[in-house]
Amino acid sequence: DIQMTQSPSSLSASVGDRVTITCRASQRLSSYLNWYQQKPGNAPKLLIYSTSTLQRGVPSRFSGSGSGAQFTLTISSLQPEDFATYYCQQSYTTPWTFGQGTRVEIK
Amino acid sequence: QVRLVESGGAVVQPGRSLRLSCAASGFTFSNYIMHWVRQAPGKGLEWVALIWYDGSKEYYADSVRGRFTISRDNSKNTLFLHITSLRVEDTAIYYCAKRTGTTNPSLDYWGQGTLVTVSS
Repeated sequence: DIQMTQSPSSLSASVGDRVTITCRASQRLSSYLNWYQQKPGNAPKLLIYSTSTLQRGVPSRFSGSGSGAQFTLTISSLQPEDFATYYCQQSYTTPWTFGQGTRVEIK
Repeated sequence: QVRLVESGGAVVQPGRSLRLSCAASGFTFSNYIMHWVRQAPGKGLEWVALIWYDGSKEYYADSVRGRFTISRDNSKNTLFLHITSLRVEDTAIYYCAKRTGTTNPSLDYWGQGTLVTVSS
């Protein structure tokens, strides 16, 4: 199975900060890397698919990049509604696997 | 609009069985691969299983293979997850999710989840 490792596991940031979350896979994924946002008590929400394509309706302050086995989610200017947990997920092969999550908290 | 509604979660004893359902609406159910994902209390997301459009192929996480069975009824727009030999570690919220089309595989719509608690 492909192992997905996110860093950091949690971070504290202020509104307006630039935030970067890294996701490393145990093998190359081509572009089959997705990002989800989950707020407490809610189901996950797809943010970015295929490494860098924003899902419809997702604000442009979110962006994704990367290749091979290393990928990044960036929030250019953190907003109050962005405080949540973020998960990367590979869809390169079954079983699909998720990273352990990165919790973004208010500083 | 796309809607996924899970049901069937319950408090059950270890070793018992349970069937979860996911009612889909707002899209042509038979055209999409469907998934189950679970989340133990306070933990991260764990992919569980997927089923092909017509039910002809199924894939499972190693942690559930042999105990979980995913199925679907396209005539009723419903996805199922049959769980046998329940273990305490199966306690989780179970989400059904719709896969995107043939390209850019990801999970673009999720239900609200149904809670399974395994306890004696």
